[in-house]
Amino acid sequence: GAGVSQSPSNKVTEKGKDVELRCDPISGHTALYWYRQSLGQGLEFLIYFQGNSAPDKSGLPSDRFSAERTGGSVSTLTIQRTQQEDSAVYLCASSVARDGEQFFGPGTRLTVL
Amino acid sequence: DAKTTQPTSMDCAEGRAANLPCNHSTISGNEYVYWYRQIHSQGPQYIIHGLKNNETNEMASLIITEDRKSSTLILPHATLRDTAVYYCIVRANAGGTSYGKLTFGQGTILTVHP
Repeated sequence: GAGVSQSPSNKVTEKGKDVELRCDPISGHTALYWYRQSLGQGLEFLIYFQGNSAPDKSGLPSDRFSAERTGGSVSTLTIQRTQQEDSAVYLCASSVARDGEQFFGPGTRLTVL
Repeated sequence: DAKTTQPTSMDCAEGRAANLPCNHSTISGNEYVYWYRQIHSQGPQYIIHGLKNNETNEMASLIITEDRKSSTLILPHATLRDTAVYYCIVRANAGGTSYGKLTFGQGTILTVHP
């Protein structure tokens, strides 16, 4: 079956612009996670959604970052007023349940000029 | 604030077993040991996990010491395609601050050479 998909695969934007990154999890997976990977910070957790529960936003680096998950499926990560330090690969993962094996997508490479 | 310590890099000859160590001396009773790997330019891939018993699947074996303070991931017959960064992660599967999310450290860069 289809794995986790993310779009776009690459995004180049100018400093100060807003960007939206999309994640399509595996069908039936109730848990969805966002991580980012940058040269200076490695792989770090951002936010996660579990069913209808309030999301865990503890990893979001600033209030410029937000995410939503509509209908318990597709998720969008939004970064407002992008900064150069936001340049990274943004990875999405999903799992059957909160304690399940996480399946990762290929990531979106964001470059802020 | 990863709770694991791994060597920065390791080499292995193709066809030989690769043994990747991990120290997790502060692991809690409800935390599992997970291993993921990341091949260049791809998202991380789940390998195996365990609580206290040794585990084996089609990819690898996981040996956890009796005191649970360290573990070893074994790739029994490494191939060139196993070249990747290997992450050892401790995670609770019910409650606690590590529940759900994965906290990645720097991992071990495994290079399999011909």
